[in-house]
Amino acid sequence: GAVVSQHPSWVICKSGTSVKIECRSLDFQATTMFWYRQFPKQSLMLMATSNEGSKATYEQGVEKDKFLINHASLTLSTLTVTSAHPEDSSFYICSARDYGSTSGSGNEQFFGPGTRLTVL
Amino acid sequence: QKEVEQNSGPLSVPEGAIASLNCTYSDRGSQSFFWYRQYSGKSPELIMFIYSNGDKEDGRFTAQLNKASQYVSLLIRDSQPSDSATYLCAVGEGFQKLVFGTGTRLLVSP
Repeated sequence: GAVVSQHPSWVICKSGTSVKIECRSLDFQATTMFWYRQFPKQSLMLMATSNEGSKATYEQGVEKDKFLINHASLTLSTLTVTSAHPEDSSFYICSARDYGSTSGSGNEQFFGPGTRLTVL
Repeated sequence: QKEVEQNSGPLSVPEGAIASLNCTYSDRGSQSFFWYRQYSGKSPELIMFIYSNGDKEDGRFTAQLNKASQYVSLLIRDSQPSDSATYLCAVGEGFQKLVFGTGTRLLVSP
């Protein structure tokens, strides 16, 4: 259980275009999902907390108009990188919490496989 | 600013040895603690979580928590080359997000 998928797994785009990344919880409902970014040889950086049916909560320094998050259902959150530039090239990873887990605590996060974005 | 500190390593151990990974955290009120493993180019994978002081064992892995010292560790017994990865310590902030350390790179040599 607690499987999270992401699509696409990698994307290459031209500077100035927008890219949408999907995050799905496959076997559980996730009222809360998280979006992270990871640059090479660095740790995870939380970008925002995505709440189903409400606005996302962005971390300090993350431009909410550039990184649009939509969490329209209990199993799907999307991150759109608008007007992408080369400095946005990174590994984007989503995670979700399975509140209904009977084997875990409900607070652990399960990660998707990540999306590697390259902006030319 | 809540912080989670880990030695970046690399920590090198021979195959079959015990690997000991350590983590300290700054928020004395933290209640939940997690260890994740991340292979190069992949996303993190949950190894185990711990909430109470003491030890928690799961197969070859043992998590140890000492809230008084604000210290959490992960022991890997009978280390295998396949255990070579970066290990991330994460601390729960309230009942929402996790604060991650920068990770410790473990190298297990055959």
